[in-house]
Amino acid sequence: GAVVSQHPSWVICKSGTSVKIECRSLDFQATTMFWYRQFPKQSLMLMATSNEGSKATYEQGVEKDKFLINHASLTLSTLTVTSAHPEDSSFYICSAIRDYLDNEQFFGPGTRLTVL
Amino acid sequence: AQTVTQSQPEMSVQEAETVTLSCTYDTSESNYYLFWYKQPPSRQMILVIRQEAYKQQNATENRFSVNFQKAAKSFSLKISDSQLGDTAMYFCAFMKRADYKLSFGAGTTVTVRA
Repeated sequence: GAVVSQHPSWVICKSGTSVKIECRSLDFQATTMFWYRQFPKQSLMLMATSNEGSKATYEQGVEKDKFLINHASLTLSTLTVTSAHPEDSSFYICSAIRDYLDNEQFFGPGTRLTVL
Repeated sequence: AQTVTQSQPEMSVQEAETVTLSCTYDTSESNYYLFWYKQPPSRQMILVIRQEAYKQQNATENRFSVNFQKAAKSFSLKISDSQLGDTAMYFCAFMKRADYKLSFGAGTTVTVRA
């Protein structure tokens, strides 16, 4: 149990276009989901916290107008990279909390974004 | 803000040997959790072990154990009987109880040699 999926796993797009990444909790309801960004051989950097039915909370330095997050249901959060540029190329990972008493975050497999 | 420091960028260990990864953190929080995650070449994040700050007993999960020194703010991971499948990047992470956000260290790449 506690499986998180992401779609797509890899996307290539042209500069100036928008890309949507989906994060789904497959076998549990996730009140809270998180979005991370990871550059090659580097650590995960938290971008935002997504709560179902409310606006996402962004970390300092993250452009909320560029990285739109929507948590429309208890099993789905989406990250839209708007007007993507080559510097947005990165590995994006989502995670979800199943149970606040358990405190474990379950991670998706990640999405590799390449902007040409 | 919480800071997590992993001072060893890379570690190499012979199969069946033991390796210890270091991690220190800085926080003013009293209620928190600590984690070690493994990220193999597939890049899927896998929870290795976790520790609640209020528990004095060090956590153990099969071949993985931690040495949690709360006063020193140190949280090292010991991998015993290393296996080839242990080859991965290992991240130490801090979670504040209040918001469940994870702060990660820079990571340590572990290579297990046959």
